[in-house]
Amino acid sequence: KAGVTQTPRYLIKTRGQQVTLSCSPISGHRSVSWYQQTPGQGLQFLFEYFSETQRNKGNFPGRFSGRQFSNSRSEMNVSTLELGDSALYLCASSLAKYQETQYFGPGTRLLVL
Amino acid sequence: DQQVKQNSPSLSVQEGRISILNCDYTNSMFDYFLWYKKYPAEGPTFLISISSIKDKNEDGRFTVFLNKSAKHLSLHIVPSQPGDSAVYFCAATYNNNDMRFGAGTRLTVKP
Repeated sequence: KAGVTQTPRYLIKTRGQQVTLSCSPISGHRSVSWYQQTPGQGLQFLFEYFSETQRNKGNFPGRFSGRQFSNSRSEMNVSTLELGDSALYLCASSLAKYQETQYFGPGTRLLVL
Repeated sequence: DQQVKQNSPSLSVQEGRISILNCDYTNSMFDYFLWYKKYPAEGPTFLISISSIKDKNEDGRFTVFLNKSAKHLSLHIVPSQPGDSAVYFCAATYNNNDMRFGAGTRLTVKP
């Protein structure tokens, strides 16, 4: 079974630009979560989508948004990029229920200059 | 609001000895806890989990202990191997709420 894939793997943007990251979950998985990883902060939860609906949302500004498509693929968008948005963005998928193990993709490393 | 805390950013252990990674949480609603391991340039991978109805779960060299009264869990790796060198994240969740992760502990196992 193919794992979670994320594209692109690396991205360089400048302040003020916007970016869209993509995540394809494991086949059959309906839940997709997004995390931001920065040094010293660990994994900060952004949001979770389940069956095309946002089920949970972390404490991030409205510049961070996401969506999920009918095939469970998900995208996250960050508008008006700031230097502090430089991070590794990880996507994780799971079957459905909260006790299900999440499977992570390799991440997209975003650098904002 | 850091509900899950890993207070040791790094840990160095000799090969063959025990590694003990610690994690504290503040939300008493959490009832399911997980440990993930992360190598550079890879996403975290699931290692072991424990439900709040248990106080210990063992899987090979890895054992997770849960002390609910202290809101503390720990991961023991015995014996430690150089391949265990990675960043370890603990995570906690309840119901259908989002999973909360700690900041991670970088484990280095020296040959």
